[in-house]
Amino acid sequence: AQSVAQPEDQVNVAEGNPLTVKCTYSVSGNPYLFWYVQYPNRGLQFLLKYITGDNLVKGSYGFEAEFNKSQTSFHLKKPSALVSDSALYFCAVRDGSGAGNMLTFGGGTRLMVKP
Amino acid sequence: DSGVTQTPKHLITATGQRVTLRCSPRSGDLSVYWYQQSLDQGLQFLIQYYNGEERAKGNILERFSAQQFPDLHSELNLSSLELGDSALYFCASSEAGANTGELFFGEGSRLTVL
Repeated sequence: AQSVAQPEDQVNVAEGNPLTVKCTYSVSGNPYLFWYVQYPNRGLQFLLKYITGDNLVKGSYGFEAEFNKSQTSFHLKKPSALVSDSALYFCAVRDGSGAGNMLTFGGGTRLMVKP
Repeated sequence: DSGVTQTPKHLITATGQRVTLRCSPRSGDLSVYWYQQSLDQGLQFLIQYYNGEERAKGNILERFSAQQFPDLHSELNLSSLELGDSALYFCASSEAGANTGELFFGEGSRLTVL
């Protein structure tokens, strides 16, 4: 079985400050890791993914995430937050050893960026 | 715009009724996934179809069923509706055979059961 934990329901940060949204995962095989963002009344939008290779992955809108195998984490980061980054963020994992393509999502973290 | 189209966007119905949610995947995508998003359960995987065949099953109730048609659109049927079925239902699609690829989500169908 695969699972994802996002320990923070909400993260508050001031505009211009760095932000981190935390994610830890559990899979039996190789982890394929993803971050998605959801704006109000919209579907989920893909931000970035880690499949293999460099542990630091860069994605859309200036976001990046760092894969840490020993800590089974995949935290989302951005050097300088914007008010427009305020949204709901989901971490997701898929077992790379499995035949299916099903993603398991974390519970989501609401990011609030204040001016 | 993800290219995934879901209809209807909003649906209000009564307990005991049956509804059908429709999804058209991105052009060329053979896989379709259904997810349920509710406040207390988060995003729950329901079912996946690949080129018309069921590929994976998640926490889908027996009252729910789905299918994928030859033109690759998919329908999710929800019957004997209960208040707790009120949720946002998302459809997503992905490239054929690409299990390293991301999913592309529609904007969802919001179901309210009264």
